[in-house]
Amino acid sequence: KAGVTQTPRYLIKTRGQQVTLSCSPISGHRSVSWYQQTPGQGLQFLFEYFSETQRNKGNFPGRFSGRQFSNSRSEMNVSTLELGDSALYLCASSLGWGTYNEQFFGPGTRLTVL
Amino acid sequence: GNSVTQMEGPVTLSEEAFLTINCTYTATGYPSLFWYVQYPGEGLQLLLKATKADDKGSNKGFEATYRKETTSFHLEKGSVQVSDSAVYFCAPKSNSGNTPLVFGKGTRLSVIA
Repeated sequence: KAGVTQTPRYLIKTRGQQVTLSCSPISGHRSVSWYQQTPGQGLQFLFEYFSETQRNKGNFPGRFSGRQFSNSRSEMNVSTLELGDSALYLCASSLGWGTYNEQFFGPGTRLTVL
Repeated sequence: GNSVTQMEGPVTLSEEAFLTINCTYTATGYPSLFWYVQYPGEGLQLLLKATKADDKGSNKGFEATYRKETTSFHLEKGSVQVSDSAVYFCAPKSNSGNTPLVFGKGTRLSVIA
């Protein structure tokens, strides 16, 4: 069974631009979560989607948004990029939501903002 | 909300040394506890988990015991290998539905031959 895939793997953008990252979960998984990983802040939860609905949201500004499609694939968007948005963005999928299901992580998208 | 305190790294050990990475947590309700590992250039992988008090999670020679009285979930391995070099994350997850995984800062382990 294929794992979680994320595209692109690497991105370079400039301040003020916007970016869209994509995540394809493991087949049959309906929940997708997004995390931002930086050296200073570590791993921080962005949001979680299940059945095309955002179920949980972390403490990030409104510039960070996401959505989930009917096939469970998910995208996250960051508008008006800032230097501090440079990070590894990790996506994780799991079977369900609510009671814990093991999360499987993708390799991440490395975003560099210049 | 939930929070985690992990021992600061980096930790450098010689091959076959004993490893302990401390983790203490605060969490609402009765959480499940997890250790994840991140190898260089990769995403996170679940290493082991425990879902109730006194449970011991184990995998690849690593172990951790759920200690409710001390709210701890310390990771141990009796004899580390160079291939264990990675970053290790402790994470509690409350079993009430609307709480995400909360990760510690991570502990970088380097094992030298």
